Amino acid sequence: ETGVTQSPTHLIKTRGQQVTLRCSSQSGHNTVSWYQQALGQGPQFIFQYYREEENGRGNFPPRFSGLQFPNYSSELNVNALELDDSALYLCASTIYGTSGGQKETQYFGPGTRLLVL
Amino acid sequence: GENVEQHPSTLSVQEGDSAVIKCTYSDSASNYFPWYKQELGKRPQLIIDIRSNVGEKKDQRIAVTLNKTAKHFSLHITETQPEDSAVYFCAASQGGFKTIFGAGTRLFVKA
Repeated sequence: ETGVTQSPTHLIKTRGQQVTLRCSSQSGHNTVSWYQQALGQGPQFIFQYYREEENGRGNFPPRFSGLQFPNYSSELNVNALELDDSALYLCASTIYGTSGGQKETQYFGPGTRLLVL
Repeated sequence: GENVEQHPSTLSVQEGDSAVIKCTYSDSASNYFPWYKQELGKRPQLIIDIRSNVGEKKDQRIAVTLNKTAKHFSLHITETQPEDSAVYFCAASQGGFKTIFGAGTRLFVKA
């Protein structure tokens, strides 16, 4: 396995609620990306964090937000949940080096399956 | 915005035959193209990747080709086996930043 873990594995929420999903990156990986994977589709890029700051975002509204911590863990927060937010949420970590030593390979966690009723 | 198109959506082959999956990307700045295999209920796993300074890369039964001019890249699996059955995703990014995935190809290998 990749050394990337996520919690919880499954979650059921109701529309309008808020949810926090957690990811623990592989040790030393300073970059984490979050993806939403709806059933039967490819992962959709939500945002990426590098050294605790957001440095890229996909086409997701502001109610999707995140945090990255110094200990290689990160969070995805979703406010005002909608039915369409039901999906598998994946985090992926990698190492980004400003000196050109960037390693592009992303290592995915097992995902959190969120169901919004 | 950036887009990656992947074809076919479903592919069924006989064991031992070859399988080819094709992708097209829109962002000319993309320079890194990974391929992932995702089995049911599991995380995507990298199976091979290629960078824009290379036209072809091979790893045992798996090969990937890249045509930068046409913005096309393809996955070739030879001598397919039942355990190759899974969903395969192509992706494109600028050095790993903001990776855009294709919609996936469901590969069935019939024994």
